[in-house]
Amino acid sequence: DGGITQSPKYLFRKEGQNVTLSCEQNLNHDAMYWYRQDPGQGLRLIYYSQIVNDFQKGDIAEGYSVSREKKESFPLTVTSAQKNPTAFYLCASSIELNRPNYNSPLHFGNGTRLTVT
Amino acid sequence: AQTVTQSQPEMSVQEAETVTLSCTYDTSENNYYLFWYKQPPSRQMILVIRQEAYKQQNATENRFSVNFQKAAKSFSLKISDSQLGDTAMYFCAFMKLSGAGSYQLTFGKGTKLSVIP
Repeated sequence: DGGITQSPKYLFRKEGQNVTLSCEQNLNHDAMYWYRQDPGQGLRLIYYSQIVNDFQKGDIAEGYSVSREKKESFPLTVTSAQKNPTAFYLCASSIELNRPNYNSPLHFGNGTRLTVT
Repeated sequence: AQTVTQSQPEMSVQEAETVTLSCTYDTSENNYYLFWYKQPPSRQMILVIRQEAYKQQNATENRFSVNFQKAAKSFSLKISDSQLGDTAMYFCAFMKLSGAGSYQLTFGKGTKLSVIP
């Protein structure tokens, strides 16, 4: 079955350390996204990528970095510059960013819960 | 920029009863899509129902239906015959189809629904 795999499910880090969250998809989707979810805040877009070697900042990109070296992979690095990194992070993909996918706009992974102490 | 407002942070309903979750949005666009996503305790995001703005007929998916009022910019979700498995966070989402940020989802902050046995 095709899908999106995020690993690990739970991640713990000390303050001041960079940490990378993994996201892999085998859906052959062009576009990939990273969202952050906080209680009472809904989902907020961090970064998105339309094609390999290209990505764009979302609404809350500060303190984060991404790469898109392969179509299947879109890792997110939470840097020490992110002031409040503890959150639930969701990766998603869609067929193509610039073509509406009405029936299934986004496929989501199961998320990674990051705790920084 | 588009905004999506869910005014009910938490709601509860008795099993087998009907509940309506509200969602309003603000946009100057005329053509767009609207969605409701469900996030159960497993935190997997699941697409519940979708609506195209140019369609006047309200979308229905089994026990789930929407009341789409385009002029009022309202998109409420009605869940009939509530089941224990409907307990989840519900997110309303907006997708514009042209211009900057098109085909990206803007989410509301969510409504936590509890179905009581």
